[in-house]
Amino acid sequence: KAGVTQTPRYLIKTRGQQVTLSCSPISGHRSVSWYQQTPGQGLQFLFEYFSETQRNKGNFPGRFSGRQFSNSRSEMNVSTLELGDSALYLCASSLVIAGGPGNEQFFGPGTRLTVL
Amino acid sequence: ELKVEQNPLFLSMQEGKNYTIYCNYSTTSDRLYWYRQDPGKSLESLFVLLSNGAVKQEGRLMASLDTKARLSTLHITAAVHDLSATYFCAVTNTGNQFYFGTGTSLTVIP
Repeated sequence: KAGVTQTPRYLIKTRGQQVTLSCSPISGHRSVSWYQQTPGQGLQFLFEYFSETQRNKGNFPGRFSGRQFSNSRSEMNVSTLELGDSALYLCASSLVIAGGPGNEQFFGPGTRLTVL
Repeated sequence: ELKVEQNPLFLSMQEGKNYTIYCNYSTTSDRLYWYRQDPGKSLESLFVLLSNGAVKQEGRLMASLDTKARLSTLHITAAVHDLSATYFCAVTNTGNQFYFGTGTSLTVIP
């Protein structure tokens, strides 16, 4: 069974640009969550999508947005990039809503974003 | 906001020794997760603990949960080099949002 895939794996952008990251969950999984990982702030929750609807949102500015398609694939977009957005962006998929009883999140390899 | 604290942040231990990583969280949660992350890699799920008193073991790792104390422990028995990694605990709030601890970077020295 294929795992969670994320594309691209590495990305270099400059300040002010925007970026779109993609995540394909494990087949049959309907929930996709996004996280930002930095050395200073650790792992921070961005948002969760389930059946094309945003179910939860973390404490990030509106520059960070996402969506989920009918095949459960998800994208996140960051507009007007800032230096502080440099991070590893991880997505995780789960069978049902993340955090539900007995539910596990399976993480993708991440996208390493560098903002210059 | 739910706070999750792990200690120690860094742990250097000799092969063959035992040690425990602690995970404290600030508000009620009855679901706790442990993950492992190797350098440059993603997170791998280790344990899911769903109730007070839950104990799970896999190889040299054993995790337990005390929901009354809001404490989980990850015990390492007879450490080996392959266990070197960063370990994260995470809890969920009533809205099913995950909150991760700061991580414990474990180095096992031969």
